[in-house]
Amino acid sequence: EAGVTQFPSHSVIEKGQTVTLRCDPISGHDNLYWYRRVMGKEIKFLLHFVKESKQDESGMPNNRFLAERTGGTYSTLKVQPAELEDSGVYFCASSHFGLAGGSTYNEQFFGPGTRLTVL
Amino acid sequence: DQQVKQNSPSLSVQEGRISILNCDYTNSMFDYFLWYKKYPAEGPTFLISISSIKDKNEDGRFTVFLNKSAKHLSLHIVPSQPGDSAVYFCAATLSGTASKLTFGTGTRLQVTL
Repeated sequence: EAGVTQFPSHSVIEKGQTVTLRCDPISGHDNLYWYRRVMGKEIKFLLHFVKESKQDESGMPNNRFLAERTGGTYSTLKVQPAELEDSGVYFCASSHFGLAGGSTYNEQFFGPGTRLTVL
Repeated sequence: DQQVKQNSPSLSVQEGRISILNCDYTNSMFDYFLWYKKYPAEGPTFLISISSIKDKNEDGRFTVFLNKSAKHLSLHIVPSQPGDSAVYFCAATLSGTASKLTFGTGTRLQVTL
């Protein structure tokens, strides 16, 4: 079974430009999450999709960030316009919807991340 | 306001000895805790978890202890192996939901020969 994939692995852009990150979750996973890690700090939650609906977007920093998940499959995260403080590693994670028998939490599987550098 | 804290940014342990990684949390609503391991240029991978109804969970060389009254958990690795060298993240969430994970800043473990 293929894991969570993210594209690109690295992106270097200038301040003011636009960047779009893509995440392909594990097939059949209805939950999709975006997280970000700024250098040396904690991995911070950005938002959570259930299928194509935004379940929780409380972590989105501001309106320069736009996430979509059309059709409930892959997701994109667009940053427009990018600022210096947007630099970091953006992780995508996915999990099953609904708890499998006896489980109290569905494991989130993470992708390798996209390292974004804004100059 | 950081709700999950890992106060040791790094830890060095000799091969074969015990590694103890610590984590503290402030939000008493959290009732499910996880440890993730991360190698460079890879995403975090799930290692072990514990529900707040338990105080210990063991999986091979890895054991997680939870002290709810102190809002503290720890990960014990014994014996430590060179392949355990990685960054370890503690995370907390709400069970029975698909809630977000709240992570600590990570502890870099170096296991030396």
